[in-house]
Amino acid sequence: EADIYQTPRYLVIGTGKKITLECSQTMGHDKMYWYQQDPGMELHLIHYSYGVNSTEKGDLSSESTVSRIRTEHFPLTLESARPSHTSQYLCASSTLAGGNYNEQFFGPGTRLTVL
Amino acid sequence: KNEVEQSPQNLTAQEGEFITINCSYSVGISALHWLQQHPGGGIVSLFMLSSGKKKHGRLIATINIQEKHSSLHITASHPRDSAVYICAVLKGGAQKLVFGQGTRLTINP
Repeated sequence: EADIYQTPRYLVIGTGKKITLECSQTMGHDKMYWYQQDPGMELHLIHYSYGVNSTEKGDLSSESTVSRIRTEHFPLTLESARPSHTSQYLCASSTLAGGNYNEQFFGPGTRLTVL
Repeated sequence: KNEVEQSPQNLTAQEGEFITINCSYSVGISALHWLQQHPGGGIVSLFMLSSGKKKHGRLIATINIQEKHSSLHITASHPRDSAVYICAVLKGGAQKLVFGQGTRLTINP
C-alpha cells in the first residue's frame, strides 16, 4: 500500500497569487517526482529529486520551483500563478528495490485552477 | 513520433468481454509500468515488469523485450474497470518514466 499524500486536492485561486502544493510520503523513498497533466493528455515530468538537497528540472519546462529539505517532503511552489498554470499536478515517489528499476507510487493529485 | 505508443486510444466493451490494450515503445528500457487512472485523477500502479508475464486477479501483463511490445489484458471485464490505462517505460540508464498517451476504457453493463 502506497503512502503518498498531496494537499490540497483542489485549489481555485486568482492570478498573481503565490501557491505551494504539498507532497509527502511515509515510505522513506529517496526519489520523488512532480508531473503535470492537462485534461485528456499524457503526464509530463516537471521536477524530480534523487534525495535531500537534490532537485532537477524535468522534460517539460515549468515556472514552478521545488525543494527537498527532508526526505519525506517535496513541495512545489508557484510564485505568481497564471491561468496557463491550470492543470493537474501529480506527485510520485520511488526507491531502488530488488534491481535497477524503480516502481513509482503516485499521490492523488492536486487539481489547480487559476482564474 | 512518441517514444511510447498505445492502442487503441479509446475502447468501449460490454461487461464480461476480454480486453487487450497494447503498448509499443521505440527506446531501450529497463522496465515498463502499467498504470490505471480513474476519473478522479489518482493513479494506481498495476504492474511493473521487465520480462515475461505478471498476473494480479483479472489483470495480466506481458512484455516482449525483443519486439518492444507489452500488452495489458483484463478478463471478465466489469464496469468498475472503466478508467484510463497508461503505459510508461523506464528508459535504460535513466530513472525517469516516459508515458504513453493512455487508453480510455469504458465497460458498459
